[in-house]
Amino acid sequence: DTAVSQTPKYLVTQMGNDKSIKCEQNLGHDTMYWYKQDSKKFLKIMFSYNNKELIINETVPNRFSPKSPDKAHLNLHINSLELGDSAVYFCASSPDGRGPREQYFGPGTRLTVT
Amino acid sequence: GENVEQHPSTLSVQEGDSAVIKCTYSDSASNYFPWYKQELGKRPQLIIDIRSNVGEKKDQRIAVTLNKTAKHFSLHITETQPEDSAVYFCAATNTGFQKLVFGTGTRLLVSP
Repeated sequence: DTAVSQTPKYLVTQMGNDKSIKCEQNLGHDTMYWYKQDSKKFLKIMFSYNNKELIINETVPNRFSPKSPDKAHLNLHINSLELGDSAVYFCASSPDGRGPREQYFGPGTRLTVT
Repeated sequence: GENVEQHPSTLSVQEGDSAVIKCTYSDSASNYFPWYKQELGKRPQLIIDIRSNVGEKKDQRIAVTLNKTAKHFSLHITETQPEDSAVYFCAATNTGFQKLVFGTGTRLLVSP
């Protein structure tokens, strides 16, 4: 019954490795997002997809590549991981409609780069 | 682009007191202002939101006010309870694709 799910919940890896985080929503929403929350709790948008199309791409290193195989899934692949990539990554989704709507967040993936 | 400032960064109150968190935004075109609550180790969850055509909205012990002229909005929590302890984020957006810009968060601690 989980509305927005992410895997894995925890990810510990070494610098230079490549890793992926997966996100799925079963709410029938058209828009999905990736956010990064750093150690100071700042929450910042990275990417947004609407119906599999990239619509928001913030100033994010191109080591980060989102992929949306269908509108229920949005994955995040990170190449050549760096210490500064350590953070909690949240996926979120929202419905289309007249005006902005509530965003539903996944449980987060805590990435630790050593 | 939009910039959202949030104050205070931490707020300690006694159970039963009221708590007020304030945010200002920079983009006069912003028209949607949600508030999210994030408990320790959990996901952010929407607790209340307001649109620019409304000045105030209330939901039980929680209320939000919006002053479009001054470009600020506030969260009011009355009769605080220990379970209100969390980090609260304000946000603003003006686009159809909902690029939310979050404030820096307020850590609220309610002591019994």
